[in-house]
Amino acid sequence: SAVISQKPSRDICQRGTSLTIQCQVDSQVTMMFWYRQQPGQSLTLIATANQGSEATYESGFVIDKFPISRPNLTFSTLTVSNMSPEDSSIYLCSVRTGLRTEAFFGQGTRLTVV
Amino acid sequence: GQQLNQSPQSMFIQEGEDVSMNCTSSSIFNTWLWYKQDPGEGPVLLIALYKAGELTSNGRLTAQFGITRKDSFLNISASIPSDVGIYFCAGFPMNYGGSQGNLIFGKGTKLSVKP
Repeated sequence: SAVISQKPSRDICQRGTSLTIQCQVDSQVTMMFWYRQQPGQSLTLIATANQGSEATYESGFVIDKFPISRPNLTFSTLTVSNMSPEDSSIYLCSVRTGLRTEAFFGQGTRLTVV
Repeated sequence: GQQLNQSPQSMFIQEGEDVSMNCTSSSIFNTWLWYKQDPGEGPVLLIALYKAGELTSNGRLTAQFGITRKDSFLNISASIPSDVGIYFCAGFPMNYGGSQGNLIFGKGTKLSVKP
């Protein structure tokens, strides 16, 4: 399995500001994803990070709020823009080697917006 | 859309007890995955199942892909304190119309130690 490193592991941010979360994988992977896990809840897919093109967003998530970059096969960033307390969640980077293969996760970024 | 119903929502264990949890869906799945999440960590893959009827073990953990392809269970034998955490089932539905083969997650089973 791939080793996935996320930075920062946690942060406390002021409302109205933005935070960029980095995801670094130790090997090239086909597919990278970003998930949100609200307190006490399950995981919800935000978007698929596509290398060299715009990310594919799930219903309820938009690029202006969650811009994503993926410049190569080992790195991606997720920005949470214009934050509000409702954005307080754990954000998780995930990778898969194929369309329907097992997914591996980073340790997550715990974001608190005050 | 497809949903996974995971039960129980929470349970208390005493060391040495066997634990069982399951996931069901009204849709057919062609992959079932079981994860464990500890506080402050991301989910860690425990077992992956790819064929109906498949029974797979990982140490004290055993999971099965239901023969109808609509359910899966996870058993933990002789539980120990470090088994506490949240267990998630996840799967790829057969005919999901969403993007990039979205992995659907259950709501989780929280395992705690009996006081």
